[in-house]
Amino acid sequence: DTEVTQTPKHLVMGMTNKKSLKCEQHMGHRAMYWYKQKAKKPPELMFVYSYEKLSINESVPSRFSPECPNSSLLNLHLHALQPEDSALYLCASSQARFSGNTIYFGEGSWLTVV
Amino acid sequence: AQKVTQAQTEISVVEKEDVTLDCVYETRDTTYYLFWYKQPPSGELVFLIRRNSFDEQNEISGRYSWNFQKSTSSFNFTITASQVVDSAVYFCALSVGYGNNRLAFGKGNQVVVIP
Repeated sequence: DTEVTQTPKHLVMGMTNKKSLKCEQHMGHRAMYWYKQKAKKPPELMFVYSYEKLSINESVPSRFSPECPNSSLLNLHLHALQPEDSALYLCASSQARFSGNTIYFGEGSWLTVV
Repeated sequence: AQKVTQAQTEISVVEKEDVTLDCVYETRDTTYYLFWYKQPPSGELVFLIRRNSFDEQNEISGRYSWNFQKSTSSFNFTITASQVVDSAVYFCALSVGYGNNRLAFGKGNQVVVIP
């Protein structure tokens, strides 16, 4: 079983809605990630948090707003999304943000924007 | 720039056959890390193996084995005696240097095991 848990598993939202994706890990990791994955494509990095501070934002539109309340939790706030934002959103964590640290992924949240 | 190539997009095999997934990588860094992940239809990316550039030992874990060859920049993955539960997308990924942990993924191999 994965040690990175994501909620909700499935989310359908309208373009005017505000919703949040949540992620939690209890492995004591200090780096956490959000990835976006479209069908039949590899995951694409969105954000990296290191020691609860945002260290990478891959030029993600502001309608996606990440938040790291503490070292175990990571949220992704969604507002005014577009249908093309429909995708699988994967949360992940690693011991630290340095290359070579294995990144462990959650089960993902399937997002549909209508 | 880092690049990972997984040439075979979809591979179908009959149960109990072996299947080998090719992964070719490109990097100018001398320190790098290679990974394989499995993604079943449920969506979770499951970590399978990590290998650093200084360790060319091949590895076997149950029915899974990996062949790392720096001379050809390849890190191939073999599933022996495939089972239906092996049906998934398999990603090879590369991370380099000592900086931020950015994984460069290949496009993935869709493996379909036919009972």
